[in-house]
Amino acid sequence: DAKTTQPPSMDCAEGRAANLPCNHSTISGNEYVYWYRQIHSQGPQYIIHGLKNNETNEMASLIITEDRKSSTLILPHATLRDTAVYYCIVRVGRASGTYKYIFGTGTRLKVLA
Amino acid sequence: DSGVTQTPKHLITATGQRVTLRCSPRSGDLSVYWYQQSLDQGLQFLIQYYNGEERAKGNILERFSAQQFPDLHSELNLSSLELGDSALYFCASSVGDSPSTDTQYFGPGTRLTVL
Repeated sequence: DAKTTQPPSMDCAEGRAANLPCNHSTISGNEYVYWYRQIHSQGPQYIIHGLKNNETNEMASLIITEDRKSSTLILPHATLRDTAVYYCIVRVGRASGTYKYIFGTGTRLKVLA
Repeated sequence: DSGVTQTPKHLITATGQRVTLRCSPRSGDLSVYWYQQSLDQGLQFLIQYYNGEERAKGNILERFSAQQFPDLHSELNLSSLELGDSALYFCASSVGDSPSTDTQYFGPGTRLTVL
């Protein structure tokens, strides 16, 4: 199964871009990468997902390397409310047609005033 | 508020007991997911149902089972409880189960404490 690896923690100054990396070197060709974040013990919140093209929405950008072995989530102008644990997730397909979601251990992002 | 409701909010029980956690998805969502979050293991995907059918399975223990009912609500049954089952259990829902429709909206969670 694909596995995701993330740094345990990062700091970012308020107003600056936060770049959160994720390694998923064993990902297969049709497996998507998702990012969610969790603030304290609340339910996680969806941020963005993609397959191989870079994606952007109102919250963030997702840059996936050409070989798909890694990706970076970019929060363009981090605010204090972006302080959270960010999870990189791979949706792994199976021969049976079913799938499962593999969560990374998460990066605890602290935005500093 | 995500629109996903989970009951109860808190549950305290003893080892060996059986409990049922309930989840109501957002209106219109057909998929329901269950996750376990314990202090030492982070978020673990357990299982997913789509319109009553099991579609995805993670590292769910044999002591745990789930189902999705015709009205689309779901229940997670945990039996022969052990101390290590103490955790936050999250339910999430999405419209569908393909990558274009599986954006998940999470409920507030049920905190289970096994004494």
